[in-house]
Amino acid sequence: KAGVTQTPRYLIKTRGQQVTLSCSPISGHRSVSWYQQTPGQGLQFLFEYFSETQRNKGNFPGRFSGRQFSNSRSEMNVSTLELGDSALYLCASRSVLGELFFGEGSRLTVL
Amino acid sequence: GENVEQHPSTLSVQEGDSAVIKCTYSDSASNYFPWYKQELGKRPQLIIDIRSNVGEKKDQRIAVTLNKTAKHFSLHITETQPEDSAVYFCAATNTGNQFYFGTGTSLTVIP
Repeated sequence: KAGVTQTPRYLIKTRGQQVTLSCSPISGHRSVSWYQQTPGQGLQFLFEYFSETQRNKGNFPGRFSGRQFSNSRSEMNVSTLELGDSALYLCASRSVLGELFFGEGSRLTVL
Repeated sequence: GENVEQHPSTLSVQEGDSAVIKCTYSDSASNYFPWYKQELGKRPQLIIDIRSNVGEKKDQRIAVTLNKTAKHFSLHITETQPEDSAVYFCAATNTGNQFYFGTGTSLTVIP
């Protein structure tokens, strides 16, 4: 069974631009969560989608948004990028037993 | 909401010694407690988990214990090896809720 797949793996943007990251969950998993990880920081929860609906939301500004499609694939978007948005963005899918499995992440650098 | 605290933030042990990482949680409704290992530059990987109806679980050199009354759970690694060096995260959640992660423990195993 394929794992959680995230694209792109690396990207560089400039301040003010926007970015869209994509995540394909493990087959059969209907829940997808997004996390931001910065050096020395833990895993900061962004949001979780289940069956195309946002089920949980973290404490991030409205510049961070997401969506989920009918095939459970998810995208997250960050608008008006700031230097502080440079981070590793991790997607995770959740099994029916509640286990969370992470993708390799998308490393965003904002210049 | 749930609050998960993790200690210590850094831990150094000699190869062959044991390592123990402790987490506390605040929400008595939490019923699933996973542990993740994240090696440098890689994704967090689920290494062991425990549910609230179990007090202890072992998998070879790693074990997790749960004390529901005191609301704390611990990761035990015996006979540590250099490849155990990584950052370890604990988490707590319940059905349909987001995962709440600890801030991580950087474990270094000294050969």
